[in-house]
Amino acid sequence: SQKIEQNSEALNIQEGKTATLTCNYTNYSPAYLQWYRQDPGRGPVFLLLIRENEKEKRKERLKVTFDTTLKQSLFHITASQPADSATYLCALDRGSTLGRLYFGRGTQLTVWP
Amino acid sequence: GAGVSQSPSNKVTEKGKDVELRCDPISGHTALYWYRQRLGQGLEFLIYFQGNSAPDKSGLPSDRFSAERTGESVSTLTIQRTQQEDSAVYLCASSLASGGLNEQFFGPGTRLTVL
Repeated sequence: SQKIEQNSEALNIQEGKTATLTCNYTNYSPAYLQWYRQDPGRGPVFLLLIRENEKEKRKERLKVTFDTTLKQSLFHITASQPADSATYLCALDRGSTLGRLYFGRGTQLTVWP
Repeated sequence: GAGVSQSPSNKVTEKGKDVELRCDPISGHTALYWYRQRLGQGLEFLIYFQGNSAPDKSGLPSDRFSAERTGESVSTLTIQRTQQEDSAVYLCASSLASGGLNEQFFGPGTRLTVL
């Protein structure tokens, strides 16, 4: 089965710095990789999707990279703010057109003033 | 438009009772997923439906768990003879279709507490 590892359960950084979260996977080569944000007591919310043939995707202060050789995706938040504090989940498929997503356990990010 | 809705938002039950959790997906979404999230833990996949295909039940933890979906609308997750370890937040999500190209839209969840 697909195994997904997200770096450290918790990441604490100072406001204004860049947060970098890691998602590593084994076994299958996904066609797509997604990142979600989850706030306490709420369901995850989709942020970004990156395809296997894309190296990088940006959306405002967010940047995602996808390295299929390293089997790794990096999620960056630049100029981080306390409001960015949340748990971030990566999710990927098994490289087929249909099927479920496999979610990582998530990394809890805390941005302190 | 309306997002994914779930009911009830909270459910407290006694051990051994049966419970039914409901999910109303976004209209037009052919894929529907159920997840379980224990306190402080990640998402645990339970089951997903894609159109009229047979559901993927590979994540159901025991035969006490079952789910149904009528066409491309409402889904119910049933837990029979509840146990204390069933206590968790049950999340439902829907997407236009299954697969990694389609983002999943999550509901607010049902918090289940088994006493």
